[in-house]
Amino acid sequence: SQQGEEDPQALSIQEGENATMNCSYKTSINNLQWYRQNSGRGLVHLILIRSNEREKHSGRLRVTLDTSKKSSSLLITASRAADTASYFCATKFSGGYNKLIFGAGTRLAVHP
Amino acid sequence: EAGVVQSPRYKIIEKKQPVAFWCNPISGHNTLYWYRQNLGQGPELLIRYENEEAVDDSQLPKDRFSAERLKGVDSTLKIQPAELGDSAVYLCASSLDFGTDTQYFGPGTRLTVL
Repeated sequence: SQQGEEDPQALSIQEGENATMNCSYKTSINNLQWYRQNSGRGLVHLILIRSNEREKHSGRLRVTLDTSKKSSSLLITASRAADTASYFCATKFSGGYNKLIFGAGTRLAVHP
Repeated sequence: EAGVVQSPRYKIIEKKQPVAFWCNPISGHNTLYWYRQNLGQGPELLIRYENEEAVDDSQLPKDRFSAERLKGVDSTLKIQPAELGDSAVYLCASSLDFGTDTQYFGPGTRLTVL
């Protein structure tokens, strides 16, 4: 079963707009990661945020984590057509080994 | 640096036929994972190897699936016999070791069972 649930399932925006995706999970985590998957390709690691962190930035990406609400958000600013992909959150349980549980993903379409 | 290599990229077979997927992880990565990704879903772990030892195969359907990682480098995942429900993308990933958080994924093998 999948622990993370992304919201929305699909998102369609214009180039230059910001895109926000949310992820909720059920149990205590060690860290939460976001991955991107372009059509027909493998997943690429984007960013990792640990349970004791609240916000993290990487280029045009901003991730927040609220452990009290068991939720995270991924913000992509000034989106580009090349950002079109599926985005997955993946959680690593507290005390567990390096086992990631992926959500079902948000499909983002950025139109020129 | 070469990434995770998988072959074949696509495979179409009839049900009840056998099929095998191959993965070569990033050089020096001790941990190797096989995931299955159904359409519209995220990947689900099938098996994890630490070097040549399978340390988590709880999600691997052992009646028809098998895997091996001889010499602790490349790995093969086999399905015999394949069923219609096995149609999915099979992803291989590797990480430096079990304590490393970031996993590096290959492009996957898309299996279609007719």
